[in-house]
Amino acid sequence: DTAVSQTPKYLVTQMGNDKSIKCEQNLGHDTMYWYKQDSKKFLKIMFSYNNKELIINETVPNRFSPKSPDKAHLNLHINSLELGDSAVYFCASSPGTFGSEQFFGPGTRLTVL
Amino acid sequence: GENVEQHPSTLSVQEGDSAVIKCTYSDSASNYFPWYKQELGKGPQLIIDIRSNVGEKKDQRIAVTLNKTAKHFSLHITETQPEDSAVYFCAGITNFGNEKLTFGTGTRLTIIP
Repeated sequence: DTAVSQTPKYLVTQMGNDKSIKCEQNLGHDTMYWYKQDSKKFLKIMFSYNNKELIINETVPNRFSPKSPDKAHLNLHINSLELGDSAVYFCASSPGTFGSEQFFGPGTRLTVL
Repeated sequence: GENVEQHPSTLSVQEGDSAVIKCTYSDSASNYFPWYKQELGKGPQLIIDIRSNVGEKKDQRIAVTLNKTAKHFSLHITETQPEDSAVYFCAGITNFGNEKLTFGTGTRLTIIP
């Protein structure tokens, strides 16, 4: 029944490593997003895809590379992890029409040591 | 781009009392303003939204008001209950067509039993 799912829920890794977070939605939505929430709870968009096409790419380091193999999946790969990458990463989806509700996943807490 | 400011950052109210959270936005072209509730360990969830052609919207104990001239909007929760304790985010749409939400900085609401 899960609408937007993410794996893993927790990710602890060393600086310099490469890691991926996976996201899947079963809502039939056209648009998917990645958000970063820092320790102060600030929530900021990183990327948005519509029908597998990148439409929003905020000023995110190019160590972050999203990939959308199909409309239902949006994965986030991070190269050369840094301490500042520690945060909670949320995937979300929406029908994509103007002003539509965004459905968020449960989040992935990334800790870089 | 859009800038959304939110106040207060923390709010404690006695159970049964009302809570009000205020947000201001910078882009006069923005015309969709959702409110999200984030419970501990979960992703944000839409609780109410308002479009710029409406001045007020109500859903049971929750209401949102919008003042386009002053560029501010507010969330009102009446008859607060312990389950209302959460972090609340306002947001505004900028960059129409790309559905990019700009979130406020969040308000941690605590309901005191």
